[in-house]
Amino acid sequence: AQSVSQHNHHVILSEAASLELGCNYSYGGTVNLFWYVQYPGQHLQLLLKYFSGDPLVKGIKGFEAEFIKSKFSFNLRKPSVQWSDTAEYFCAVTSKAAGNKLTFGGGTRVLVKP
Amino acid sequence: EAGVAQSPRYKIIEKRQSVAFWCNPISGHATLYWYQQILGQGPKLLIQFQNNGVVDDSQLPKDRFSAERLKGVDSTLKIQPAKLEDSAVYLCASSPLGGGDAYEQYFGPGTRLTVT
Repeated sequence: AQSVSQHNHHVILSEAASLELGCNYSYGGTVNLFWYVQYPGQHLQLLLKYFSGDPLVKGIKGFEAEFIKSKFSFNLRKPSVQWSDTAEYFCAVTSKAAGNKLTFGGGTRVLVKP
Repeated sequence: EAGVAQSPRYKIIEKRQSVAFWCNPISGHATLYWYQQILGQGPKLLIQFQNNGVVDDSQLPKDRFSAERLKGVDSTLKIQPAKLEDSAVYLCASSPLGGGDAYEQYFGPGTRLTVT
């Protein structure tokens, strides 16, 4: 069975600081990886996804994530955060073997102080 | 393109009462999902439909939860009777069938259920 763990439950940082959120998954086969974001009062939105190819994936709003297969990791990064990046971030994994079932991590709440 | 629609947005009921949630997926999306998101946790899949057939309901508490998608379009999730631990946000998502896009799910705004 596939599972996802996110290391940080809460992150507080100031504007212009760099952000890195950890995500590790457990599944030995071919996976598809996602980062979703939930802004306050809004629904889950896709930030970026990895299916294959270049392991460094660019997403919306300046976010990027790097897939490191040997470490079963898919960490999310942003070089300089803004107050508007305050949100909850979820890492998720799916695979054809799991019937495209999307398994989420527990989420990381990010608070960016102005 | 209209997104995934859900109603109601909020519901408060007493334990042992019943409740139903409705979802209308993005037009043309064959696959529909219901998730439960308990406060402080990530969403957990309850049931997955492809058209009007159930693909995965392994995590659906079938003694009290039921779901249907009779015409392969909109769907209803029901809880009867509700327990305090059912308090959560119920999310509906949809995805197209086939191809790489099949892996990307689009989420609705959710229904926040409070059981007292």
